[in-house]
Amino acid sequence: AQSVTQLGSHVSVSEGALVLLRCNYSSSVPPYLFWYVQYPNQGLQLLLKYTTGATLVKGINGFEAEFKKSETSFHLTKPSAHMSDAAEYFCAVSERGNQGGKLIFGQGTELSVKP
Amino acid sequence: DTGVSQDPRHKITKRGQNVTFRCDPISEHNRLYWYRQTLGQGPEFLTYFQNEAQLEKSRLLSDRFSAERPKGSFSTLEIQRTEQGDSAMYLCASSLTGVRYEQFFGPGTRLTVL
Repeated sequence: AQSVTQLGSHVSVSEGALVLLRCNYSSSVPPYLFWYVQYPNQGLQLLLKYTTGATLVKGINGFEAEFKKSETSFHLTKPSAHMSDAAEYFCAVSERGNQGGKLIFGQGTELSVKP
Repeated sequence: DTGVSQDPRHKITKRGQNVTFRCDPISEHNRLYWYRQTLGQGPEFLTYFQNEAQLEKSRLLSDRFSAERPKGSFSTLEIQRTEQGDSAMYLCASSLTGVRYEQFFGPGTRLTVL
C-alpha cells in the first residue's frame, strides 16, 4: 500500500534561515505529489503540487519542491523563513490514473520559526 | 468566494449518541471526500463520492459510520453509537475531476466524545 514518510515531526529554524521539510513516498509508480499547510484550528491549504512536467515546482508564499524519482522524494524548501511560516506541513500523494483520487498523507511536520 | 463549508464546527457529545456532520462543497465540484484527523497525525481518508455515487470507503470505516451525498451536492457523515475513539477532526474536501487534481478543504468539524 502507498505510504508517505515525513522525516522529522518537528523542525525549528531561525527567521531568515533555509527551510527544508522532507518527504518520501513508497510507490514504484510516481504518484501525484502535494504539500499542504495547516494553521491552528483551520483546514488545509494547498502550497504546491507536482503532476507532470518540470520537476521543480513553485508554490505560494515562496515555497518550492523538487520531485526526484530516483530518490522517491518531494522535499519542500523555502530560502528564507518568516515568522508567519510557523504551521503544520503535510506531504500527500494520490494515485495516478484516477484523475485525482484520495490523498494519502504523511504524519506532518510542525515548523517553528524563532526570531 | 464560496469555499468548502462544514457544519457544525464543533460538536461535543456523550458516548453512545449519534452525530451527523454536513459538508457543502464548492458548487461546481463533482468529487467530495471525507477525512479524519487525530491530534498530531495527518488526515486519514474515510470515503469519497463522485456526484452522488460513493466510489470508495476506507477499511478503517466501521459500520457505525455512514455517508451520503444526495443529488450530488452537499454530503452528510453520520456516526452512530459514538465512542471516545471517534474524537477527532473530520475534514471535508472537494475537487473537480481531472482538473489540476487539487482538493480544497473545509475548516473541519471537531468532535469530542465524552
